[in-house]
Amino acid sequence: NAGVTQTPKFRILKIGQSMTLQCTQDMNHNYMYWYRQDPGMGLKLIYYSVGAGITDKGEVPNGYNVSRSTTEDFPLRLELAAPSQTSVYFCASGVFNSPLHFGNGTRLTVT
Amino acid sequence: KNEVEQSPQNLTAQEGEFITINCSYSVGISALHWLQQHPGGGIVSLFMLSSGKKKHGRLIATINIQEKHSSLHITASHPRDSAVYICAVGESGGSNYKLTFGKGTLLTVNP
Repeated sequence: NAGVTQTPKFRILKIGQSMTLQCTQDMNHNYMYWYRQDPGMGLKLIYYSVGAGITDKGEVPNGYNVSRSTTEDFPLRLELAAPSQTSVYFCASGVFNSPLHFGNGTRLTVT
Repeated sequence: KNEVEQSPQNLTAQEGEFITINCSYSVGISALHWLQQHPGGGIVSLFMLSSGKKKHGRLIATINIQEKHSSLHITASHPRDSAVYICAVGESGGSNYKLTFGKGTLLTVNP
């Protein structure tokens, strides 16, 4: 099993550009999450999904969108990138009340 | 919303020392998680517990539900234990499964 795979690992965007962070899991997990990690702060939930076709906002959803058309994939879309979106992004998956499995992260810089 | 506080924020130890990292939370939870993040690396789950104590190798996690407090202990610490240790709590009740994260404890173990 590959677990949770995130791409790309690094990306530099100019202000106003858009991009999609990819996340795929091969463990048939129904729960999937996107977090951002800023220096000195705990992980913050951006969006989450409890199954294919169902998504919901987390703590910091502004400037992001998600979709969950399949169990395996949970892409995160950034529209009109802003410097405040410079962060490390983690995708995670799991089943109810179980340990989460994290991807290796995407380091995004918006300049 | 649950507040998760970790202490200390930074911890430096000599190889072989016994390490304790603490985590307190403010409201009832379904489970508490301990995670490990190496510098520049991904996040891995160490423990998930809802009562009592769990042990894995040199790592021990305990939780006191009444006091809303958990500790992570590392016995015979080693430089490879150097990492950020993150406490996270799962919300109690409901089918949605979301975690609230502490800011992490940076552990450095010197040889």
